[in-house]
Amino acid sequence: SQKIEQNSEALNIQEGKTATLTCNYTNYSPAYLQWYRQDPGRGPVFLLLIRENEKEKRKERLKVTFDTTLKQSLFHITASQPADSATYLCALGGSGGSYIPTFGRGTSLIVHP
Amino acid sequence: SQTIHQWPATLVQPVGSPLSLECTVEGTSNPNLYWYRQAAGRGLQLLFYSVGIGQISSEVPQNLSASRPQDRQFILSSKKLLLSDSGFYLCAWSREGNQPQHFGDGTRLSIL
Repeated sequence: SQKIEQNSEALNIQEGKTATLTCNYTNYSPAYLQWYRQDPGRGPVFLLLIRENEKEKRKERLKVTFDTTLKQSLFHITASQPADSATYLCALGGSGGSYIPTFGRGTSLIVHP
Repeated sequence: SQTIHQWPATLVQPVGSPLSLECTVEGTSNPNLYWYRQAAGRGLQLLFYSVGIGQISSEVPQNLSASRPQDRQFILSSKKLLLSDSGFYLCAWSREGNQPQHFGDGTRLSIL
């Protein structure tokens, strides 16, 4: 069955360091992958979209990679700040004829001052 | 710019009571609309989506239903709530299915 795996354990890092979050998937052939940020009690906010023919996408301090051979996406936040603390969700779509994304459970990021 | 409104923010209902959650989108036309449920520590579960007025696709069989009476209005309903219906309900819109989704701030539903 299709599976999206994000680390269920929170990632704790020091301010100023680079945070790297992982999204692994099995039995998927996604046409695209998205990353969202979710704060407690709020809806997710879209951050970045990367398509299957793209290796890397950047937006300000954010960088996403997409390796369809490894079936993995990495999400990096450089020069992390306490305000970056949130849960980050990956979502895969375009697999098996379904264009609607399927979301992972998310990984909590805690940036310590 | 586009905005999405979802209400109420919090709702406490007794078992067996009806439910109506409303979501409206402003600033765009003919959006794709979605209802999700997020249980504590779980991922987003797609409940319903709609690509147009009166067109509803159900992803998970349950005692919930959805309707789209107007282009930018999406309603989630139930005739009789169950304890298992508790959760965080999110409405979202996108231009196309493979485009980014934009979420409302959700409704925290507690069933007593």
